[in-house]
Amino acid sequence: QKEVEQNSGPLSVPEGAIASLNCTYSDRVSQSFFWYRQYSGKSPELIMSIYSNGDKEDGRFTAQLNKASQYVSLLIRDSQPSDSATYLCAATSIQGAQKLVFGQGTRLTINP
Amino acid sequence: EADIYQTPRYLVIGTGKKITLECSQTMGHDKMYWYQQDPGMELHLIHYSYGVNSTEKGDLSSESTVSRIRTEHFPLTLESARPSHTSQYLCASSEYGSSPAEQYFGPGTRLTVT
Repeated sequence: QKEVEQNSGPLSVPEGAIASLNCTYSDRVSQSFFWYRQYSGKSPELIMSIYSNGDKEDGRFTAQLNKASQYVSLLIRDSQPSDSATYLCAATSIQGAQKLVFGQGTRLTINP
Repeated sequence: EADIYQTPRYLVIGTGKKITLECSQTMGHDKMYWYQQDPGMELHLIHYSYGVNSTEKGDLSSESTVSRIRTEHFPLTLESARPSHTSQYLCASSEYGSSPAEQYFGPGTRLTVT
């Protein structure tokens, strides 16, 4: 099993709907998780971090962490075409809290 | 404004040439990283540094080398470029002691070796 796994998509969601992105992780990562957004041809941009079980909300974004089931998700409410991008899930490595392990990303398309 | 910079943004070079990709940050961060990313693929850590005179190899085997003589500067060098080095190279930084590590990325260098 990979350390961090994501469905590569593409995930297609109508404008205004809720987009749900999921990520599972193995025991080889630590307990801090990050969501990055990467537009085509651009570099990753940090949008959310979550360290504790439960939900964390920031504007239209909600990150959810379930340590018992080893998954982390990102919900985007009121999806906009500008949300179309690849979303990368990352976790701190057990080899060192300052190293991140990335999933391969989920490509999200918001249809007007 | 605090930021992280990479130059050049695009580079096309012939096989066998020596190249240096530059990365500088004004974020005041101690830790810096180099990642390699092929289109549509995940990021792979190739080098990292926890501070001046500290460099470590990452998880992906790489023929590149790095140096960290100044806190703000973390260049990556390929002694002899090959077509297999064609990729996007991303530099990132994070604050020392901040755990967990929130990393911030530069704009990237897209390298093509012909």
